Amino acid sequence: GAVVSQHPSWVICKSGTSVKIECRSLDFQATTMFWYRQFPKQSLMLMATSNEGSKATYEQGVEKDKFLINHASLTLSTLTVTSAHPEDSSFYICSAGSNNEQFFGPGTRLTVL
Amino acid sequence: EDQVTQSPEALRLQEGESSSLNCSYTVSGLRGLFWYRQDPGKGPEFLFTLYSAGEEKEKERLKATLTKKESFLHITAPKPEDSATYLCAVQAAHPPPGGGNKLTFGTGTQLKVEL
Repeated sequence: GAVVSQHPSWVICKSGTSVKIECRSLDFQATTMFWYRQFPKQSLMLMATSNEGSKATYEQGVEKDKFLINHASLTLSTLTVTSAHPEDSSFYICSAGSNNEQFFGPGTRLTVL
Repeated sequence: EDQVTQSPEALRLQEGESSSLNCSYTVSGLRGLFWYRQDPGKGPEFLFTLYSAGEEKEKERLKATLTKKESFLHITAPKPEDSATYLCAVQAAHPPPGGGNKLTFGTGTQLKVEL
């Protein structure tokens, strides 16, 4: 099946710093990648849809200047959390689309101190 | 707005005790309904996609069915390794511009299977 990787799997940073998370589709090309955030015991909330070569589409309430998304190639999308604060601590998950289906990465646990 | 409601929120079963999880949805034209399994601290693992009412799919002890308003995930003779959170998601036939193959998720059913 389709494999999606994320790096890093976890990161701890100080408040005010920026953190970059990578999402890669390893064995297929994904024209569309998605970024989700999941708080403890809650479901996945879509943050943005990332299309290769174009600007990301953000969901209502998600600050595009804070969560920078770049989809530079058909196998790589990055999410940068700028000026991170403790309330940004969460589990960030990406997914890559292939033939109407989405395959998810293993997630990145971000902790902002 | 697309909505997905899953029930129950949590379910505790004895090994071998079959049961069903429910996913009710409202969507402006259904392109697909998806079931995922998620283990703690991990990303969702794809299980099934259903596209039209009456469709059924099976995988080992799991069977997913679909009607025009809801989907069921039937678990037959579950084992402890089936313990996980099961997520349901819908994909609209007419997503908003730039929305691509956007999925709307329910809050999941947390299943625990005990010996």
